[in-house]
Amino acid sequence: GAGVSQSPSNKVTEKGKDVELRCDPISGHTALYWYRQRLGQGLEFLIYFQGNSAPDKSGLPSDRFSAERTGESVSTLTIQRTQQEDSAVYLCASSLAFGRGGTEAFFGQGTRLTVV
Amino acid sequence: QKEVEQDPGPLSVPEGAIVSLNCTYSNSAFQYFMWYRQYSRKGPELLMYTYSSGNKEDGRFTAQVDKSSKYISLFIRDSQPSDSATYLCAMSDHTGFQKLVFGTGTRLLVSP
Repeated sequence: GAGVSQSPSNKVTEKGKDVELRCDPISGHTALYWYRQRLGQGLEFLIYFQGNSAPDKSGLPSDRFSAERTGESVSTLTIQRTQQEDSAVYLCASSLAFGRGGTEAFFGQGTRLTVV
Repeated sequence: QKEVEQDPGPLSVPEGAIVSLNCTYSNSAFQYFMWYRQYSRKGPELLMYTYSSGNKEDGRFTAQVDKSSKYISLFIRDSQPSDSATYLCAMSDHTGFQKLVFGTGTRLLVSP
């Protein structure tokens, strides 16, 4: 596709369940990022990938959060034992280059996660 | 104290007005300064970015960075109803787009 694709677009889950969020980056983009946007707050950095390695995982809120990436393609963000405070829009972005300055990151439409 | 502060608005203006959106920040390591526009239920899209201090103009949009005051601005001239959206400032250190710190966003409403 032409842009970053995220699925599902909406997810409602019960507290304590595990969820998987998927991101398909723009073809050829080597860098991939995950951000979280909670209501009334700015986007929070979670993790980024260069290829399938994650040099910076410092934004992951707890060990319930994990992410992986297959090569320079799909990434999955997994939240285990979801809590109500995990309710947010999870945004994925991708960009061409990695390194000093980098290049523009293009965002997907996000997955709106609601934990009830 | 948040690293980046941004007035959430909403900011309501009539069509044709000049709009001024601002952010302040506390981290002197920030070197890259971006403005994103986010329509409802959409992902943010990059409007402009600047490196270090100075001004940058692109059509109706002008971005200004004053590192001495830790203050950045986005000006929109001849505002249009289609400009109604949430505007997010974002910043980063030498890593550029790799790890952005965002403001909370300012909601702008331009009435016809």
